[in-house]
Amino acid sequence: EGQLVESGGGLAQPGRSLRLSCAASGFTFDDYAMHWVRQVPGKGLEWVSGISWNSGSTVYVDSVKGRFTISRDNVQNSLHLQMNSLTPEDTALYYCAKDSSILPGEALDVWGQGTMVTVSS
Amino acid sequence: QSVLTQPPSVSGAPGQRVTISCTGSSSNIGAGYNVHWYQQLPGTAPKLLIYINNNRPSGVPDRFSGSKSGTSASLAITGLQAEDEADYYCQSYDSSLIGSVFGGGTKLTVL
Repeated sequence: EGQLVESGGGLAQPGRSLRLSCAASGFTFDDYAMHWVRQVPGKGLEWVSGISWNSGSTVYVDSVKGRFTISRDNVQNSLHLQMNSLTPEDTALYYCAKDSSILPGEALDVWGQGTMVTVSS
Repeated sequence: QSVLTQPPSVSGAPGQRVTISCTGSSSNIGAGYNVHWYQQLPGTAPKLLIYINNNRPSGVPDRFSGSKSGTSASLAITGLQAEDEADYYCQSYDSSLIGSVFGGGTKLTVL
C-alpha cells in the first residue's frame, strides 16, 4: 500500500527558507504523481503543490507560486518542497501525499503523518 | 473561502443516514473532473474514503457512498456509528486554478 515519511519541518523566521522532504516506500514511486498538502491546526486542508511522475509537470496554489519549488528524485524515492521567503501564513502541518495517477489531479491514496512548519520571529 | 463549498457541520444519531454536500462550479466538478472524499479522524492524517465520485478503496465499509451530479457531489453515510465522528473533505481538480482543490471540510458529530 505504501508509506510516506516527511521530515524537515521546524521553526523558521519570516523571510527565511526551509526544505521539506518525504521518503516513499512500498510502491513504485516513479509510477505516480506526488503532492504537498498543508493544514493549519484546527483548520481545513489546503492543496499546495503537485508534481507529475517524471517531473515534467509541476503545479502550485497561487499563494506559494514563485516562493515554493516542488521536486522529486525517482532514484532515491523522495519528494521535496523548497520553501523560500516564508511568511507566518505558511505556518501549518505539511503532508506528503501520493496521487493515484501519473499526473497530479486525481485521488490522494497514501498520506504521510505530516511535518510541522512554524514561521515566527 | 474554499473553491468547493461544504457545510461546516452535520450530525446524526447512531444508525441514521447523513449526507454531506460539496458544491463546485463549471471549472471543477461541473467540468467533469472527478470528486474524491477523505475522512480525517482527530489527530490523524486524512484517509481516502471515496475516489472517482463513487468508488470505495479496499477496506472502506459500504456504508459510505458517493455521488456526483452537475456542479455538485455528495457523500452519504448510512448506519451511522460513533467511530464515524470525524472531519470529511471533498477534493477535485480546477481548470482555472490549474491545480487540485479541497472543500472547507465538514465536521460530523454522532449524537
